[in-house]
Amino acid sequence: EIVLTQSPGTLSLSPGERATLSCRASQSISSNYLVWYQQKPGQAPRLLIYGASSRATGIPDRFSGSGSGTDFTLTISRLEPEDFAVYYCQHYKTFGQGTKVEIK
Amino acid sequence: EVQLVESGGGLVQPGGSLRLSCVASGFTFSNHWMSWVRQAPGKGLEWVANIKEDGSEEYYVDPVKGRFTVYRDNAKDSLYLQMHSLRADDTAVYYCAREMMRGDYSEYFQDWGQGTLVTVSS
Repeated sequence: EIVLTQSPGTLSLSPGERATLSCRASQSISSNYLVWYQQKPGQAPRLLIYGASSRATGIPDRFSGSGSGTDFTLTISRLEPEDFAVYYCQHYKTFGQGTKVEIK
Repeated sequence: EVQLVESGGGLVQPGGSLRLSCVASGFTFSNHWMSWVRQAPGKGLEWVANIKEDGSEEYYVDPVKGRFTVYRDNAKDSLYLQMHSLRADDTAVYYCAREMMRGDYSEYFQDWGQGTLVTVSS
């Protein structure tokens, strides 16, 4: 079974800064099946990126995904106040443990 | 607008049973695989179960096999999760989610409900 490891656990940044989140798979996976979600407190997860790099409908272009094989990255180019949240990667039925992006 | 509305959560004693429901609208329910995903308090996401468009196939995560049953009623645009022999570690918010498939494989969860909280405690 593939394990997804996200790093860092917590990212402390200021609005306007760039956020780089990592998702590492325990073995090579197809980028077609690497997904990113955003979850805010008390809310359901929201689809951000699918196929490693395709933005879901309505997702601002400051969010971008990249990667292949075992290493994938979610980048938020300039953090807006509403971007402070927990981010999860997913492959098939497996989720990473999440990265919390908090205000510094 | 796609909507998924869960209900049926609550407080149940260990060993008890509960049935969760999810009513869908805004899309053709019978054309989509559907999943249940849970999140224990302060923890991450865990996929629980899913069911094929016509209900002919269903799959479960190992910890719930033999205790949970997922089923659907396409005439009512509804998804269900029957849970038996509940344990403290089943305590979580349970979300229903519309699953998008690429070929035979789950690609992503397009839409999520707001979740319903199940608390297993004496």
